[in-house]
Amino acid sequence: AQKVTQAQTEISVVEKEDVTLDCVYETRDTTYYLFWYKQPPSGELVFLIRRNSFDEQNEISGRYSWNFQKSTSSFNFTITASQVVDSAVYFCALSGATGRRALTFGSGTRLQVQP
Amino acid sequence: DARVTQTPRHKVTEMGQEVTMRCQPILGHNTVFWYRQTMMQGLELLAYFRNRAPLDDSGMPKDRFSAEMPDATLATLKIQPSEPRDSAVYFCASGLVLRGPNTEAFFGQGTRLTVV
Repeated sequence: AQKVTQAQTEISVVEKEDVTLDCVYETRDTTYYLFWYKQPPSGELVFLIRRNSFDEQNEISGRYSWNFQKSTSSFNFTITASQVVDSAVYFCALSGATGRRALTFGSGTRLQVQP
Repeated sequence: DARVTQTPRHKVTEMGQEVTMRCQPILGHNTVFWYRQTMMQGLELLAYFRNRAPLDDSGMPKDRFSAEMPDATLATLKIQPSEPRDSAVYFCASGLVLRGPNTEAFFGQGTRLTVV
């Protein structure tokens, strides 16, 4: 069975601080995909990134960066110089590469960025 | 700008009534997912379709929920009869899943259902 754990329920930071959101996953698949989604107060789920299990290269996109470590089954997300607009709930998700392709979501981390 | 369209955005209904939620997936996507989001359970998969065929609906209460894809441009989720515990936000998502890599799933804006 697949499982995604986001142990941080809520994080509060002050603008311009860096913040890391943790994600730990469990799967028996040898090939799988990891995702991060953002859910702002308006409610929609916005795709941020997809990572393949065979590609452990870290990725940076502007103020966002992702650290994938297969050895610890983690896929952490860092926001550098946070801004108020980053306030949202962030979900980590996992899907298999065969069979069950649906996303299994973590419980989410609510990030509050204070001005 | 391709997007998943869900209707209605909000629905308030009385217990026992039938509720139908509709979803128009992104053109060209072959996979449609229905998720339910509640405070207690988070995001739960209800059903998903590949090329309009149901692949997994194990997350759906079969006695009252049904999901269909009458054609490639429409997915529906029905609840009959509705109960207060069905109150939640229902998301539809679509994606392109091929023999190899998954693509990401794109979500609609959701239908907020309140059953009183």
